[in-house]
Amino acid sequence: LAKTTQPISMDSYEGQEVNITCSHNNIATNDYITWYQQFPSQGPRFIIQGYKTKVTNEVASLFIPADRKSSTLSLPRVSLSDTAVYYCLVLMNTGFQKLVFGTGTRLLVSP
Amino acid sequence: KAGVTQTPRYLIKTRGQQVTLSCSPISGHRSVSWYQQTPGQGLQFLFEYFSETQRNKGNFPGRFSGRQFSNSRSEMNVSTLELGDSALYLCASSLDSGPYNEQFFGPGTRLTVL
Repeated sequence: LAKTTQPISMDSYEGQEVNITCSHNNIATNDYITWYQQFPSQGPRFIIQGYKTKVTNEVASLFIPADRKSSTLSLPRVSLSDTAVYYCLVLMNTGFQKLVFGTGTRLLVSP
Repeated sequence: KAGVTQTPRYLIKTRGQQVTLSCSPISGHRSVSWYQQTPGQGLQFLFEYFSETQRNKGNFPGRFSGRQFSNSRSEMNVSTLELGDSALYLCASSLDSGPYNEQFFGPGTRLTVL
């Protein structure tokens, strides 16, 4: 059974770098890995997307190893406003392909 | 540009009833996807519509159905409601079809089934 797993929670302090990993054991060959951020009472918001190696934008970096069985979202210098739940989204090749969100990681940033 | 809007924001129904939720995508977006979010199961993909056609479907029973209109607005219907259908239902729109297109989510409709 295909699974997409993430750590349940992480704690950090302002200014630190945070790395959140998503494990996806059966990802489709040519599809992208996407990360979303969700605040309470809001829908998820796109952060970053990648296919392989490394992608960087103005808010985050995404690292994807060659086997693509995992991906790591890196937030360079977190602030209190980064406290949220972070989800990876992948297209899983499970016999019938389907979109699967990760289990979500609740990040708490403290002063 | 206005974001994705969903109506109603909150809904209370009883078992056995049916419900229709509405989603208006961002102007110019032709793809609309629906997701169910619960504390136990997390975010689960329901289905995606593009140009009035269902493109992808998740693993949900036939009680869950949807449609898309020519103006890209979409509705989701759940018939014969069960207690386990209580959830936040999220709609997301994107310019084109496929999971690699950036999806913009609405605030969701919180459905409570009593």
